Amino acid sequence: GENVEQHPSTLSVQEGDSAVIKCTYSDSASNYFPWYKQELGKRPQLIIDIRSNVGEKKDQRIAVTLNKTAKHFSLHITETQPEDSAVYFCAASFSNQFYFGTGTSLTVIP
Amino acid sequence: ETGVTQSPTHLIKTRGQQVTLRCSSQSGHNTVSWYQQALGQGPQFIFQYYREEENGRGNFPPRFSGLQFPNYSSELNVNALELDDSALYLCASSLDGGATTYEQYFGPGTRLTVT
Repeated sequence: GENVEQHPSTLSVQEGDSAVIKCTYSDSASNYFPWYKQELGKRPQLIIDIRSNVGEKKDQRIAVTLNKTAKHFSLHITETQPEDSAVYFCAASFSNQFYFGTGTSLTVIP
Repeated sequence: ETGVTQSPTHLIKTRGQQVTLRCSSQSGHNTVSWYQQALGQGPQFIFQYYREEENGRGNFPPRFSGLQFPNYSSELNVNALELDDSALYLCASSLDGGATTYEQYFGPGTRLTVT
């Protein structure tokens, strides 16, 4: 089955700096890669996603890049704000079955 | 359009007991997936239901079973509860697009504690 690895497990940045979270996957059949943000005690919320036919996607301060050859994808958050503090999960999916990374706890220091 | 809902919010059970968790999918979604999220971990895929049939299963034993109803709502049943089953159980709904994977939206989860 699919195996998704996520790094780093914790990340602290100063407000206004950028944050980068990286994931690798094992199954070349995976073709959809969403990112979720989970605040304490709340459900995971989809923040951005990318499909395997696209190399990069951007939505305001958030961007995701995908390298299919290397089987890795990354989340980039620019101009970080304290409200970006949360746990972020990457996932890889094929045929509607999703496999998640272990999460990155991001802390933005005001 | 209504979001994904789950019940109950919290549940405390004793080891060896059985539990049923419920999920109502988002309006228009026909696929429901269940996940187990242990503290500090990412969601682990249990299984998925599409058109009332199991459509994929993760690495969970047979004592984890499920149902999907004609209105696309779903149940997760866990028999012979073990202490390690204590976790947040999330369901997520999506629209099955065959070869196209659609966005998956999560419910608020059921916190199960096994003592």
